[in-house]
Amino acid sequence: KQEVTQIPAALSVPEGENLVLNCSFTDSAIYNLQWFRQDPGKGLTSLLLIQSSQREQTSGRLNASLDKSSGRSTLYIAASQPGDSATYLCAPLPSSSYKLIFGSGTRLLVRP
Amino acid sequence: DTAVSQTPKYLVTQMGNDKSIKCEQNLGHDTMYWYKQDSKKFLKIMFSYNNKELIINETVPNRFSPKSPDKAHLNLHINSLELGDSAVYFCASSHLTGNGYTFGSGTRLTVV
Repeated sequence: KQEVTQIPAALSVPEGENLVLNCSFTDSAIYNLQWFRQDPGKGLTSLLLIQSSQREQTSGRLNASLDKSSGRSTLYIAASQPGDSATYLCAPLPSSSYKLIFGSGTRLLVRP
Repeated sequence: DTAVSQTPKYLVTQMGNDKSIKCEQNLGHDTMYWYKQDSKKFLKIMFSYNNKELIINETVPNRFSPKSPDKAHLNLHINSLELGDSAVYFCASSHLTGNGYTFGSGTRLTVV
């Protein structure tokens, strides 16, 4: 059974800092891994999708890496801004099912 | 146009009532999902349909019944609502082969 852990659970940083959010998962047999952000009271917005054959994906100030064999992914946010404040969710898609499994998220606050 | 749309956005109802939530996607995806986000913000899958066929049915009370009239629509009907059903329900869609999920904005259900 796939279990996903995200560390830290919460993070508060001043604007401009570079950040690393960590995600670990117990079953390395995955199709892909997706990073989402969720703003308070809102839905989930997909940030990056990394296929199992890929090592990383980049979109603007965001970079996500995947080390499938060790069951780890990191989300790197460069030059953080107050608008980045949200909860960030990691979700691997196991090869054995079609159920996206979510971690409990990292709650990020970027202070002006 | 919204890719995955859910209605209603908010639903307040009394215990014992029956209610439905509707979901539609215009992405051409073949698979649709219902997720529940509880008060602790943890997201858990409830059901999934692929081309109108139920493929995932997690341990959910029988009071919850999904219906997929076609692959672009997935509705969720809940009978005899209970206080513990209060949560945010998210609809999502994807291709079964896993090229990334797209989520709706959620339906906040409050049972009083």
